[in-house]
Amino acid sequence: DTGVSQDPRHKITKRGQNVTFRCDPISEHNRLYWYRQTLGQGPEFLTYFQNEAQLEKSRLLSDRFSAERPKGSFSTLEIQRTEQGDSAMYLCASSWDRENTGELFFGEGSRLTVL
Amino acid sequence: AQSVTQPDIHITVSEGASLELRCNYSYGATPYLFWYVQSPGQGLQLLLKYFSGDTLVQGIKGFEAEFKRSQSSFNLRKPSVHWSDAAEYFCAVGPYSSASKIIFGSGTRLSIRP
Repeated sequence: DTGVSQDPRHKITKRGQNVTFRCDPISEHNRLYWYRQTLGQGPEFLTYFQNEAQLEKSRLLSDRFSAERPKGSFSTLEIQRTEQGDSAMYLCASSWDRENTGELFFGEGSRLTVL
Repeated sequence: AQSVTQPDIHITVSEGASLELRCNYSYGATPYLFWYVQSPGQGLQLLLKYFSGDTLVQGIKGFEAEFKRSQSSFNLRKPSVHWSDAAEYFCAVGPYSSASKIIFGSGTRLSIRP
């Protein structure tokens, strides 16, 4: 049973560089979510997809952030011109809306450190 | 506005003692309510969920939670904690009608005293 996988697990970058994170959801799940978590806080919603359509996007997501899910399977989250405030754990989760239980299955996250 | 409040940032209990973690929510519609656990280096794992029916729900690892509509609360309990229960616990709320965004509380860190 393959869970949600995220890559890379840890990324260290210099301010101003671009970074991209990849998420592979559980194969039969049609919904995919991105959250951001900083130290001592709960996950903050960023965006979510149903299949390839991006249905909701948080106001937290500035123009430097973009997410895609081109074929309704894996997703990428790109951050352009990174800032130190972008340092956080980026969490991906997936779910299957046919059951509509609301349960999210999370990956282990991609930790971003911006120097 | 939709929100989840976990008033306790950090709780320490002795192994074998009972546990209650508090959660209050503000939500306009009928909510789904969840408790997730996050252990160091691991992804969030669902402990239990509630959306209708019996207001006392059972979850994994011996946890239970009680939904009290009048108090907008969904407190997590365990009668006897184990050292392996040390982790961060998050209460969350989402819409019943469609699984769009789920909002998380800021979490309660649980430490276990030997």
